[in-house]
Amino acid sequence: AQSVTQPDIHITVSEGASLELRCNYSYGATPYLFWYVQSPGQGLQLLLKYFSGDTLVQGIKGFEAEFKRSQSSFNLRKPSVHWSDAAEYFCAVGESSGDKLTFGTGTRLAVRP
Amino acid sequence: NAGVTQTPKFQVLKTGQSMTLQCAQDMNHEYMSWYRQDPGMGLRLIHYSVGAGITDQGEVPNGYNVSRSTTEDFPLRLLSAAPSQTSVYFCASSYAGATLHFGNGTRLTVT
Repeated sequence: AQSVTQPDIHITVSEGASLELRCNYSYGATPYLFWYVQSPGQGLQLLLKYFSGDTLVQGIKGFEAEFKRSQSSFNLRKPSVHWSDAAEYFCAVGESSGDKLTFGTGTRLAVRP
Repeated sequence: NAGVTQTPKFQVLKTGQSMTLQCAQDMNHEYMSWYRQDPGMGLRLIHYSVGAGITDQGEVPNGYNVSRSTTEDFPLRLLSAAPSQTSVYFCASSYAGATLHFGNGTRLTVT
């Protein structure tokens, strides 16, 4: 069965600092990988996704993620964090169709002024 | 273009009551699904549908019922609410193989 691990429950970074959120997955074949962001009281918004091809994926709001098959990881990065990035971030893995996602438990990001 | 619309936004039920959470999408998406979100557990798939008349169980289907009579609507029924069903429920839709679009959620409390 597929699974996703996000080892960091809470992360606090200073505004302007770089950010890396970790995600490790377990999946038998080539996975479909996603990062979603959730602001308080809102639904989930897709930041970026990886299906195949270039292992460095660019997303919205200046985020990027790198797929590393050898490490079963799909870490999310941003070079300079803005206060508006404070939210909860979810990594997810999908079956071949990209549907029926399995989500990680999320990482809550706080941004220090 | 409204996207995925969930109603109600908030609901309080007593144990044993039944109710239906509504989900509608106006994007002509084939695939629709229901997730529940609980603190420290992420989102877990309850039921999903790949088209009108076709539904299947996800990871946590017990206590919930679904049907898909139209492409647009995918209601989630709680047959006899239990405190363990206190959660935030999200409906999502997509074309097969494409990105999931989420609604804004329904916050359900069962007392």
